[in-house]
Amino acid sequence: GAVVSQHPSRVICKSGTSVKIECRSLDFQATTMFWYRQFPKKSLMLMATSNEGSKATYEQGVEKDKFLINHASLTLSTLTVTSAHPEDSSFYICSATSGSGRVAGELFFGEGSRLTVL
Amino acid sequence: GEDVEQSLFLSVREGDSSVINCTYTDSSSTYLYWYKQEPGAGLQLLTYIFSNMDMKQDQRLTVLLNKKDKHLSLRIADTQTGDSAIYFCAESPSGTYKYIFGTGTRLKVLA
Repeated sequence: GAVVSQHPSRVICKSGTSVKIECRSLDFQATTMFWYRQFPKKSLMLMATSNEGSKATYEQGVEKDKFLINHASLTLSTLTVTSAHPEDSSFYICSATSGSGRVAGELFFGEGSRLTVL
Repeated sequence: GEDVEQSLFLSVREGDSSVINCTYTDSSSTYLYWYKQEPGAGLQLLTYIFSNMDMKQDQRLTVLLNKKDKHLSLRIADTQTGDSAIYFCAESPSGTYKYIFGTGTRLKVLA
């Protein structure tokens, strides 16, 4: 399958700082990328849908000023957690697709990025 | 609502079969998926089933779908220690990529 890579895989930061997580599609052009957050022993919560060249669409309850998403090219989307607090500590996973969503198996996930805010 | 439910834990002995169950809510879902997540890693697509199918078999994996009860199951035959992971079911309402994931079932395989 296609490859989606996230960086960094682990990051520790101090409270109040901002952290950027990158999601790259390595061998295909991702027209759409998704950002998920996974709490311990919980499911993945969709945070936002990101389309190349346009503003991200955020799910209800997700603060767009807190979680800045940029999808500047067809192979890169970034999630910036601004003014991070300990409650933002979580596992963040991106997924990417070049498809329309109507064919199964065309969504590929990154390895995830674990953020710890001290 | 859009809740997809799974039991949290399952423990089986190596060589036995594992059955992981999932209940979903959106009858418009075109596809239903099973993903595997190993510790500290992203999600790996295991298999999927189209909503007009009742069963799909793929090597050691068998997926059963009961649309009437909105129940999906994943059977892993001859479970191995390498199968230990968290298994997520997911539905894609109206065939979109806005997947809704279940809570995940942590499978532990005992040697």
